[in-house]
Amino acid sequence: AQKVTQAQTEISVVEKEDVTLDCVYETRDTTYYLFWYKQPPSGELVFLIRRNSFDEQNEISGRYSWNFQKSTSSFNFTITASQVVDSAVYFCALSEPIAGGTSYGKLTFGQGTILTVHP
Amino acid sequence: GAVVSQHPSWVICKSGTSVKIECRSLDFQATTMFWYRQFPKQSLMLMATSNEGSKATYEQGVEKDKFLINHASLTLSTLTVTSAHPEDSSFYICSARALTSGSLGEQYFGPGTRLTVT
Repeated sequence: AQKVTQAQTEISVVEKEDVTLDCVYETRDTTYYLFWYKQPPSGELVFLIRRNSFDEQNEISGRYSWNFQKSTSSFNFTITASQVVDSAVYFCALSEPIAGGTSYGKLTFGQGTILTVHP
Repeated sequence: GAVVSQHPSWVICKSGTSVKIECRSLDFQATTMFWYRQFPKQSLMLMATSNEGSKATYEQGVEKDKFLINHASLTLSTLTVTSAHPEDSSFYICSARALTSGSLGEQYFGPGTRLTVT
């Protein structure tokens, strides 16, 4: 069975601070996909990143960066110079492979981390 | 970009009544749609997977006779909550996987439907 653990339930920071959201996953599959989503108060999920298990390169997108380490089954997300607009719930998710590993199926979500950025 | 809509965005119904939620892929065809439920301050939990033209596959613990799913076309899946009760009040979110050939079928989430049962 797949499992995603986000140990940090809530994080509170002051604007311009860097913040890292932790994500640890469990799976028996050798091929899998990892995701991060942002859920603002409106409720709509905003896709941030998808990473497959064969690609361990870290990724940076503007103020966002992701650190994927298969050795520790972690896929952590860092926001640099946080802003008030970053306040939201952030979910890490894991998906099984389907179609011979060329696609992904249902997502298993972590519990979410509530990030509050104060001005 | 790929857009998934849900209708209604919110609904209030009385206990014992049924309510239907629609999930539509607006600019792509979706072979598979997923229905998730999110209780307040909790995570998203998959309820069921629906494939166009076939019966939905329900996750363990989800009552298939209570949550009826129909995926009649490549752009529409519906979730009907039958005989709703206050404990069914939740945020229901669908996602749709784009029909594609030879490449990863991306999934796109709808904006969600907030159901309140009084």
